[in-house]
Amino acid sequence: TQLLEQSPQFLSIQEGENLTVYCNSSSVFSSLQWYRQEPGEGPVLLVTVVTGGEVKKLKRLTFQFGDARKDSSLHITAAQPGDTGLYLCAGGVSNSGYALNFGKGTSLLVTP
Amino acid sequence: EAQVTQNPRYLITVTGKKLTVTCSQNMNHEYMSWYRQDPGLGLRQIYYSMNVEVTDKGDVPEGYKVSRKEKRNFPLILESPSPNQTSLYFCASSLSRYTGELFFGEGSRLTVL
Repeated sequence: TQLLEQSPQFLSIQEGENLTVYCNSSSVFSSLQWYRQEPGEGPVLLVTVVTGGEVKKLKRLTFQFGDARKDSSLHITAAQPGDTGLYLCAGGVSNSGYALNFGKGTSLLVTP
Repeated sequence: EAQVTQNPRYLITVTGKKLTVTCSQNMNHEYMSWYRQDPGLGLRQIYYSMNVEVTDKGDVPEGYKVSRKEKRNFPLILESPSPNQTSLYFCASSLSRYTGELFFGEGSRLTVL
């Protein structure tokens, strides 16, 4: 199992602030996904990145895959209360026994 | 609507009383998987299934059984539940094992007394 470390573990900010969360590993992944999980619900896919150095934007969210495909970051601009949730990264290794390995998540709270 | 449906959503049971958590998907996905989510430990894979009649162990399979007799259904069986199986369980499906996007159910919160 390839380990994914997410940081910070918890983050509490006020509406309008910017933030970045990180997902790091010593392993190389063929793809990396970010999910958001809201209380009482299952995780929902936000984005998949597959190319080293790739940057994808989803409205106020910017995702980056590291050049070496071992790490990723999620940057949120002007956070809103609706961004509150648990952000999970998941790394995929195409030839491994597991399709995806999940990090433990970053719990984000955005207060008005 | 494309979805993964789990039942029950909440269950309190006692040690040793067999239970089954059902999971059904309507997207014709080949790949299905069960996870448990615990504070501080994140999502851990219990079992997965590449297709009908093909299942394999994940990271934490002890104390669980699964079956995949039909493509749409993937029940999770706890033959003799113990308190350490108290957890939040998620079923997920994907078009295939390697195509990425997992669709998750809403979760089943299980408490074993």
